[in-house]
Amino acid sequence: DSGVTQTPKHLITATGQRVTLRCSPRSGDLSVYWYQQSLDQGLQFLIQYYNGEERAKGNILERFSAQQFPDLHSELNLSSLELGDSALYFCASSGPDRGTRATNEKLFFGSGTQLSVL
Amino acid sequence: KNEVEQSPQNLTAQEGEFITINCSYSVGISALHWLQQHPGGGIVSLFMLSSGKKKHGRLIATINIQEKHSSLHITASHPRDSAVYICAACEETSGSRLTFGEGTQLTVNP
Repeated sequence: DSGVTQTPKHLITATGQRVTLRCSPRSGDLSVYWYQQSLDQGLQFLIQYYNGEERAKGNILERFSAQQFPDLHSELNLSSLELGDSALYFCASSGPDRGTRATNEKLFFGSGTQLSVL
Repeated sequence: KNEVEQSPQNLTAQEGEFITINCSYSVGISALHWLQQHPGGGIVSLFMLSSGKKKHGRLIATINIQEKHSSLHITASHPRDSAVYICAACEETSGSRLTFGEGTQLTVNP
């Protein structure tokens, strides 16, 4: 058990809909990262939050947004869903940032949310 | 050309064999991660390297910064090592952004 909790584990929805994925980081971890894993694109970094603020942005679509709350849990919002958004979405957390490169800390991954858009 | 390339893409071994998975990257990095993805989909971080070598049990990871190359070795492989192994580079200029290799599917037969 990594200590990172993601809900829900599975989500089935229709095109055009909006969903929210939730992530609770390991106790004490300040950074939360979101990743998308699809069959054709592999793993891709979406976005990172550190202690409530956006720290780094990757290949995140404008239809997607995220935030990190004061209790450090994070939510990834996906809207106007398309078939191609079907993927496994992971979040990960890491420890307190000792500098600007938070990903020099070991990452702890949640078990992922499998999103199916029909 | 991908910024992070792994080889081989697929690897089948017999139990007990020594296994090497390679990762090459084309950008300057601040760290390189090795991840293991189980058949059920869960991802475990095995190592985070910025120089030299790390060992944990039967797993050894090395990195050569000058050659922009890292290797993951598994000694005395076991069927439970069967998984996808993924390397991910943290670019120097991108802060926390990781760029992932395509992964190596390892199957260890009894």
